Amino acid sequence: EPEVTQTPSHQVTQMGQEVILRCVPISNHLYFYWYRQILGQKVEFLVSFYNNEISEKSEIFDDQFSVERPDGSNFTLKIRSTKLEDSAMYFCASSDGGPQHFGDGTRLSIL
Amino acid sequence: AQSVTQLGSHVSVSEGALVLLRCNYSSSVPPYLFWYVQYPNQGLQLLLKYTSAATLVKGINGFEAEFKKSETSFHLTKPSAHMSDAAEYFCAVRITGGGNKLTFGTGTQLKVEL
Repeated sequence: EPEVTQTPSHQVTQMGQEVILRCVPISNHLYFYWYRQILGQKVEFLVSFYNNEISEKSEIFDDQFSVERPDGSNFTLKIRSTKLEDSAMYFCASSDGGPQHFGDGTRLSIL
Repeated sequence: AQSVTQLGSHVSVSEGALVLLRCNYSSSVPPYLFWYVQYPNQGLQLLLKYTSAATLVKGINGFEAEFKKSETSFHLTKPSAHMSDAAEYFCAVRITGGGNKLTFGTGTQLKVEL
């Protein structure tokens, strides 16, 4: 069964550094999403992306965040200058308009 | 705005016993509802979905959920728990005709004991 893959599985970064989280969505999917889950809290929506542009974003997704689909297969989340509170599990998801399929996540630890 | 409430952050059942995980939603328009399961160090796996067809929805691993509009509920059940069901379960809502984002509940950790 096709699946969403995310790399790396764990990223450790110094505060203030830029980080890029990578995702390969399911190949025939057109809708892409990023969510995050701070330890012990619920999964929160960050941003959705369709037709090469952001279709919706949450208040969490401020100017420090950006998304890109640099080629036909990857979907990336960039955090420009990381803060301690960005430490979380970040999940990528994709869909063909139906239910969203999630990757295993990238655990981001900010030191 | 839509929201989801999951009652009980931790539920413990004996192997072979009924599993009942509660989810109530709030939505001003007809919702789509989902249950996802998360095993340790893994992503979210779709268990089942309600998309305005049959109100009783059957999912994977023997789970099912019933949409009750009058109670604004979408509780998850399984007749007989198995040790492998131990995981965290998330209820999520997506509004119809709007954006596609999912709004998740806070999750219920299911423990299955011998």
